[in-house]
Amino acid sequence: SQTIHQWPATLVQPVGSPLSLECTVEGTSNPNLYWYRQAAGRGLQLLFYSVGIGQISSEVPQNLSASRPQDRQFILSSKKLLLSDSGFYLCAWTDLAGGGLRSTGELFFGEGSRLTVL
Amino acid sequence: DQQVKQNSPSLSVQEGRISILNCDYTNSMFDYFLWYKKYPAEGPTFLISISSIKDKNEDGRFTVFLNKSAKHLSLHIVPSQPGDSAVYFCAASERGGADGLTFGKGTHLIIQP
Repeated sequence: SQTIHQWPATLVQPVGSPLSLECTVEGTSNPNLYWYRQAAGRGLQLLFYSVGIGQISSEVPQNLSASRPQDRQFILSSKKLLLSDSGFYLCAWTDLAGGGLRSTGELFFGEGSRLTVL
Repeated sequence: DQQVKQNSPSLSVQEGRISILNCDYTNSMFDYFLWYKKYPAEGPTFLISISSIKDKNEDGRFTVFLNKSAKHLSLHIVPSQPGDSAVYFCAASERGGADGLTFGKGTHLIIQP
């Protein structure tokens, strides 16, 4: 069965410090990978998605970046955090070659990472 | 421009009664609609979905209704149980969802004993 893990679960960082959140998926190959952020009063906002190694699409301009160095690894980074980067970050995957999933766009989410920037 | 709207930030329902969560959308290209349930400090979990070619989908206590002409969908939970207390997100996708889902802001459902 497929599983998704992301870490760290919680992070408290000062303004201006770097960030690295990591996400890995197991049990599938060539998944589509996504980073979402849940900020207070704003629902779930898509930040980045990737359809393959080294392929990153950005949905929201910001000081964050994403990378996909391996097929099942997705990393969210920042060189200098802002206060407004605080939120709950969620990694997700879908397998569009999986038949049924192709028709729904259903995403499977990781456990989330709570980032607090002070 | 918010393409998926959940206008009720919270909803309180008595245990055993019906919970109705509403969602409106503006993008006529959306062809699939999904509901996710989220507990605090956890990732959302998929609940139920509906294709744009249908107007109803039922799974146990959960039923989703779609009114395409009104660009409106609703999630019915009956009977409501204490474990249903969570934030519910409405989401939509187009073109098979390859470029991700568009989510509403969520509705916090509180089931009162």
